[in-house]
Amino acid sequence: DSGVTQTPKHLITATGQRVTLRCSPRSGDLSVYWYQQSLDQGLQFLIQYYNGEERAKGNILERFSAQQFPDLHSELNLSSLELGDSALYFCASSVEGQGIYGYTFGSGTRLTVV
Amino acid sequence: DQQVKQNSPSLSVQEGRISILNCDYTNSMFDYFLWYKKYPAEGPTFLISISSIKDKNEDGRFTVFLNKSAKHLSLHIVPSQPGDSAVYFCSGTGGFKTIFGAGTRLFVKA
Repeated sequence: DSGVTQTPKHLITATGQRVTLRCSPRSGDLSVYWYQQSLDQGLQFLIQYYNGEERAKGNILERFSAQQFPDLHSELNLSSLELGDSALYFCASSVEGQGIYGYTFGSGTRLTVV
Repeated sequence: DQQVKQNSPSLSVQEGRISILNCDYTNSMFDYFLWYKKYPAEGPTFLISISSIKDKNEDGRFTVFLNKSAKHLSLHIVPSQPGDSAVYFCSGTGGFKTIFGAGTRLFVKA
């Protein structure tokens, strides 16, 4: 157990639907990062939050949004889902805002859009 | 825009020998480079890092080398063990963003 909790572990939904992925960071970590890993590809950076504020944005689609709540958990909302959104979505956390000491990753949410 | 590239999708090595995983980058603004290891059905785990002002960092069997002029880094694992079989991701960190390569799958044969 890495200390980063992601729920649900698996999600199957239909095209056009909306889903919410949840992440609880490791205790004491202020930063949360979201990454997408499509089939056999690298980790694509989506977005980062630090202590409730958006810190950096990557290749996040307009159909996707995220937020970090006062208790530091984060949610990634994916809407108008398309088949190509099927992927593993990882959440990671770090104690500071730059991740230079490494991230702690959760085990991911596998999203399948049918 | 692939700022971090791992050009070898896979690598096979005999147990006890050296494994060398390579990574190239294009962004000169990276402050740190980090390697992660990933087993199936798990998230990546942090392995070792190196500051952009250093050229070598060692931690047990793992050593990372940085060649800034060539914008190249490599991870050496000596000796390789079957438990090292995993996907290894190289990443560069700068300006609050961490960019990952596509990963190299290492097979260590017993």
